[in-house]
Amino acid sequence: QKEVEQDPGPLSVPEGAIVSLNCTYSNSAFQYFMWYRQYSRKGPELLMYTYSSGNKEDGRFTAQVDKSSKYISLFIRDSQPSDSATYLCAMSEDTGGFKTIFGAGTRLFVKA
Amino acid sequence: GAVVSQHPSRVICKSGTSVKIECRSLDFQATTMFWYRQFPKQSLMLMATSNEGSKATYEQGVEKDKFLINHASLTLSTLTVTSAHPEDSSFYICSAAPSAQRGDTQYFGPGTRLTVL
Repeated sequence: QKEVEQDPGPLSVPEGAIVSLNCTYSNSAFQYFMWYRQYSRKGPELLMYTYSSGNKEDGRFTAQVDKSSKYISLFIRDSQPSDSATYLCAMSEDTGGFKTIFGAGTRLFVKA
Repeated sequence: GAVVSQHPSRVICKSGTSVKIECRSLDFQATTMFWYRQFPKQSLMLMATSNEGSKATYEQGVEKDKFLINHASLTLSTLTVTSAHPEDSSFYICSAAPSAQRGDTQYFGPGTRLTVL
């Protein structure tokens, strides 16, 4: 079993839709939870960063962490064609070692 | 801020040659840099963690003698793929973590696409 599971998709939605992206994990020691966006042939770009449980909102993006269920989500409201990319969840323990485990990434297509 | 560059962005080489990839943090100091490898439609796989002034820590299964890492300064780390073979063809991405900052924030470079013929 992988430490982090993420459905690779692809996920195709119409413009303006609410997108829900999810990851599950098995390591209860994870404390830092991140979402990255990666365009084709580019490096990942940090979108959201959450410590421990709870919700965090930034513009059209909302990240949720449910540590009891070992489940994290990223919601994108009013999705735009420019949101079409691969979204990677990532997480790490609070060890200061910075080792991050990434999900496989979900490919999202937003159709105009 | 927090810009990380990589050079070259793309390289094609013959089997058996060595290739050096540079990773630079342009506007911050990075005590720790990471090297990842990404195959098409797959996630990032950590190869090694590089700390300035000390030897890199390699992940299990990554050959130290094949993937040489040098973190010579707080803004530069290099990855050298020695005696490259076609199976080494991949997308190599570095990231840098600002020194003295916890929370696992790391900034990624744009990646280097290596093709070994």
